[in-house]
Amino acid sequence: DTAVSQTPKYLVTQMGNDKSIKCEQNLGHDTMYWYKQDSKKFLKIMFSYNNKELIINETVPNRFSPKSPDKAHLNLHINSLELGDSAVYFCASSQDRTLGEQYFGPGTRLTVT
Amino acid sequence: GENVEQHPSTLSVQEGDSAVIKCTYSDSASNYFPWYKQELGKGPQLIIDIRSNVGEKKDQRIAVTLNKTAKHFSLHITETQPEDSAVYFCAATDSWGKFQFGAGTQVVVTP
Repeated sequence: DTAVSQTPKYLVTQMGNDKSIKCEQNLGHDTMYWYKQDSKKFLKIMFSYNNKELIINETVPNRFSPKSPDKAHLNLHINSLELGDSAVYFCASSQDRTLGEQYFGPGTRLTVT
Repeated sequence: GENVEQHPSTLSVQEGDSAVIKCTYSDSASNYFPWYKQELGKGPQLIIDIRSNVGEKKDQRIAVTLNKTAKHFSLHITETQPEDSAVYFCAATDSWGKFQFGAGTQVVVTP
C-alpha cells in the first residue's frame, strides 16, 4: 500500500551507460516530480508533470529525459551517465500543482563508476 | 526566482530541550511553506506546513511560525526525543507549485 514507490532502490552502473528509474503513485494525484539530492543533501527539483504534461523543466542536461505514460507514472531516463550524476533521485507527487503538499518516494541511489 | 536560506546547518540538543530552525525566503509571492523530516536512507516526509494566510500552526510537539513581512518562517520542536534526530528541510513554494528547498539542518538529539 506504498503511496509513492520507486524502482530500483539502488543502481550501480558505469560511465557512458543508459539507465532508467521508474516511479509510481497510487494516491490519485495529478502532479509528479523528480528531485536530485546531492552528497551534501541539497534537494533540487528537476522536472514536474501535471496530467502527463511537462510543467517544470529546470536547467538539467539533455541526457535526462522524463516520461509520463499516465498520470500515475513518471519515469526518468538518463543517457551517457557521468560521474557527476551520482546522487539520490526522489520522485514525489501532489494532488495538483497548486495545493502544495508533496509526498516523496523512498529514493533511488545512483552510483556511477 | 525563489531563494531559501536555512540555519543552522547542524543543531545538537539535549533530550527534552527545544530545537529551533529558521528559514528566510526571497519571493514575496510564495504562499506555502512546508517542513520535511528526512531520516537516514529514506525520503523526506512532510511533518507540518503553513500557508501565507496563517501566522502560526501547531501539531503536538512541533510548531511553525511565519512572518510574511520579514519573509521568514521557523520550526520549533519542544521536548525533543532521540527519534527527532534527522535532517529537516524547509521549503517555499509559489503558485505554480514549484518548491525551493533550504539546504537542510542536521538535528542530533543526545540522551
